Amino acid sequence: AQSVSQHNHHVILSEAASLELGCNYSYGGTVNLFWYVQYPGQHLQLLLKYFSGDPLVKGIKGFEAEFIKSKFSFNLRKPSVQWSDTAEYFCAVNAPNGQLTFGSGTQLTVLP
Amino acid sequence: DAMVIQNPRYQVTQFGKPVTLSCSQTLNHNVMYWYQQKSSQAPKLLFHYYDKDFNNEADTPDNFQSRRPNTSFCFLDIRSPGLGDTAMYLCATSSLRGAKNIQYFGAGTRLSVL
Repeated sequence: AQSVSQHNHHVILSEAASLELGCNYSYGGTVNLFWYVQYPGQHLQLLLKYFSGDPLVKGIKGFEAEFIKSKFSFNLRKPSVQWSDTAEYFCAVNAPNGQLTFGSGTQLTVLP
Repeated sequence: DAMVIQNPRYQVTQFGKPVTLSCSQTLNHNVMYWYQQKSSQAPKLLFHYYDKDFNNEADTPDNFQSRRPNTSFCFLDIRSPGLGDTAMYLCATSSLRGAKNIQYFGAGTRLSVL
């Protein structure tokens, strides 16, 4: 069975700082990878996804993620965070059986 | 406009008192999912429907049941809630099964069992 690890439980940054959230997965086969974001009081929203092709994927709101197959990683990045990026971020892996497995989430707090 | 709607947003129930959580969708998606998310943990899939075909996860307790009377609605029934069932319950939908499906989530129902 696949699993997903997000090593940072809580990240605190000042506005304009750069962000990188780690995500590692364990699954030997072909996977599809996602980052979801949950703003306070709102539903989980898709931030970006990787299915195939260019391992550097761009999502909404200036976020991007890089799939590194050899490291089983799919880290999320943003060059300059804003206060409005305060949210919880979930990495997820979708195996061929369609089961979506989530990481435990990273709470990002951006200080104004 | 919300596409996956969960009601209620907050639910308090007593130990052992049955409770039903509701999910509706305007996306006309074939697949509907129920997840349980406990504090500081990842969402955990309980079961899903592909059309009327019910698929239970192996480790989902028998205490949790689901109904899908039509495409738009899906219910989560907890027959005898225990204190350990206090959690956020998330409903999601997708247009297909398989690895490339994208799931759309509702805002969740926060359930407290006293």
